[in-house]
Amino acid sequence: EVQLVASGGGLVQPGGSLRLSCSASGFIFSDFVIHWVRQAPGRGLEDISIITSNGGRTHYGDSVKGRFTISRDNSKNTVVLQMSGLRSEDTAMYYCVKGKYPGSGSPLDHWGQGTLVTVSS
Amino acid sequence: EIVMTQSPGTLSLSPGERATLSCRPSETVSSGYVAWYQQKPGQPPRLLVYGASSRATGIPDRFSASGSGTELTLSISRLEPEDFAVYYCHQYSTSPGTFGPGTKVEIK
Repeated sequence: EVQLVASGGGLVQPGGSLRLSCSASGFIFSDFVIHWVRQAPGRGLEDISIITSNGGRTHYGDSVKGRFTISRDNSKNTVVLQMSGLRSEDTAMYYCVKGKYPGSGSPLDHWGQGTLVTVSS
Repeated sequence: EIVMTQSPGTLSLSPGERATLSCRPSETVSSGYVAWYQQKPGQPPRLLVYGASSRATGIPDRFSASGSGTELTLSISRLEPEDFAVYYCHQYSTSPGTFGPGTKVEIK
């Protein structure tokens, strides 16, 4: 069974930093792209960061570019999203999501339960 | 950025009826790079259909996708009680991709 367990969310002040981690199991981790997709309370979905299967390419949405960094360790089946310069509009549930293919042009076939990030003073 | 527009915002139907959900990208997206997801309250989204019309694993055949270019459609042939949820279209021809705002299918 594919599992994606995100952790590291919590309450942080504006301007602060947070490190989200995603631990994956149930599939050959190094064969698939991983995304972070977020959803603000009561709102829609936003694909904010992508890392290809071998970690060779990363992509970011304009709303987080320059503030967030994605990385992966295929030996540990983990993906990390390092977030800095957090703003109130970053408040959302953050989902770790597996793509169906190795590269970035991929539908998102397995979603974790997510970790909640709240940015507030 | 490719903007995905979904209509209607809310669809009120009865079990057994047919649902037709529309998604219009702001520019042509190859149907091979479009997916549809279902989300129920308190749960993450679930992949329903991807590519031109491929159903994800375990998705019943009452769900189907069609269309091309800037007019895309998700159809649910006969609504079951578990189908009442929010549905999102998603284009992944760009990196990152973009999602529509969702269509809520509610019980009439």
